[in-house]
Amino acid sequence: GQQLNQSPQSMFIQEGEDVSMNCTSSSIFNTWLWYKQDPGEGPVLLIALYKAGELTSNGRLTAQFGITRKDSFLNISASIPSDVGIYFCAGQSNAGNNRKLIWGLGTSLAVNP
Amino acid sequence: DGGITQSPKYLFRKEGQNVTLSCEQNLNHDAMYWYRQDPGQGLRLIYYSQIVNDFQKGDIAEGYSVSREKKESFPLTVTSAQKNPTAFYLCASKSSGSIYQPQHFGDGTRLSIL
Repeated sequence: GQQLNQSPQSMFIQEGEDVSMNCTSSSIFNTWLWYKQDPGEGPVLLIALYKAGELTSNGRLTAQFGITRKDSFLNISASIPSDVGIYFCAGQSNAGNNRKLIWGLGTSLAVNP
Repeated sequence: DGGITQSPKYLFRKEGQNVTLSCEQNLNHDAMYWYRQDPGQGLRLIYYSQIVNDFQKGDIAEGYSVSREKKESFPLTVTSAQKNPTAFYLCASKSSGSIYQPQHFGDGTRLSIL
């Protein structure tokens, strides 16, 4: 199946640093979603984006829906140890009856206290 | 509390055995999904159901079966035909009232081979 190109694959940073990750697609999407997954648990929705150019914040997290509708980024400011986990992007096209989510492979984040 | 409940948390399967993973939601969501997660491969869609008594194959349906007899429940059976069933299985649901509603996930079932 189709997958998104998510980068970086992994990051190891110091507490307090800012983090940036992004996803790109060869297809246009109408929705971009960012999830975080802690070990042994299901993904939890962080931010949902529904409009090209949209910039949305959730606490220290900021995500943007790219103007071309083929990319999105997620920034985390002033990282803390509980930010550790795997971050996934997911995109959805509203075309036709197939509204499946297309997933990135994840960015694994480690934070050194 | 409203949410998605997956059980059991851990499951072990013997060779040649079918096992069924449970997924129940009390969010009144119409659509439900099953994903398989392997290390480094992200989430891959097994089956999904947009309405009761209807379901469609995802990208990796071979060796799996599902049913959707009730709105709240979407059990996944891992059959003996699935030769590499060891993985983390995630169930998700979403409201079909709007195309903009995101999927919400349960806490997963980890399946291992004895």
